[in-house]
Amino acid sequence: EAGVAQSPRYKIIEKRQSVAFWCNPISGHATLYWYQQILGQGPKLLIQFQNNGVVDDSQLPKDRFSAERLKGVDSTLKIQPAKLEDSAVYLCASSSLGGGSSYEQYFGPGTRLTVT
Amino acid sequence: GNSVTQMEGPVTLSEEAFLTINCTYTATGYPSLFWYVQYPGEGLQLLLKATKADDKGSNKGFEATYRKETTSFHLEKGSVQVSDSAVYFCALRRSMYEKLTFGTGTRLTIIP
Repeated sequence: EAGVAQSPRYKIIEKRQSVAFWCNPISGHATLYWYQQILGQGPKLLIQFQNNGVVDDSQLPKDRFSAERLKGVDSTLKIQPAKLEDSAVYLCASSSLGGGSSYEQYFGPGTRLTVT
Repeated sequence: GNSVTQMEGPVTLSEEAFLTINCTYTATGYPSLFWYVQYPGEGLQLLLKATKADDKGSNKGFEATYRKETTSFHLEKGSVQVSDSAVYFCALRRSMYEKLTFGTGTRLTIIP
């Protein structure tokens, strides 16, 4: 089966600009996660969707970050305006609700954002 | 809150050496424990997991045992290869529906 797809793979922007990342999860996966991985740190959850509803967005800086998952399939994460400290790799992951090992989170290749 | 403390890196070993990467955790309840690996230029991949105390996860020659008494999940491999060079992340998850909480990662380099 096809894995989690993300685009773009790399993005360089200036501070105060806006940027959007796209994620297409594995077909049939109800749960989608966006993680932020700052250099030298482990990934940290930004937002979790189940279908098109938000389950956890407690760590999302809502003054500048937004995310949506229309129709419960693909998702977009937006930053507006970007700050230098937003430089990171943004990882998308998905999992199903089918039980057993289906709960495993499968990760996409990530989008590396550099804010200058 | 939940947290994972991982052995500081980077770690450099010679091929065929024995590997241990330490991982301890703090969590309420009975979390599941994971090791993820990130090869250069690739996404995170699940390496192994354990879902209850005394479980041993294993894959590709790597092993880790869920030790509740010491709140640890150390990663081991008896004989490493150059192809094992990657960044390794220890992680926990309180329930199957929740997020993963990761450690900071350990960069492993194996030299021939």
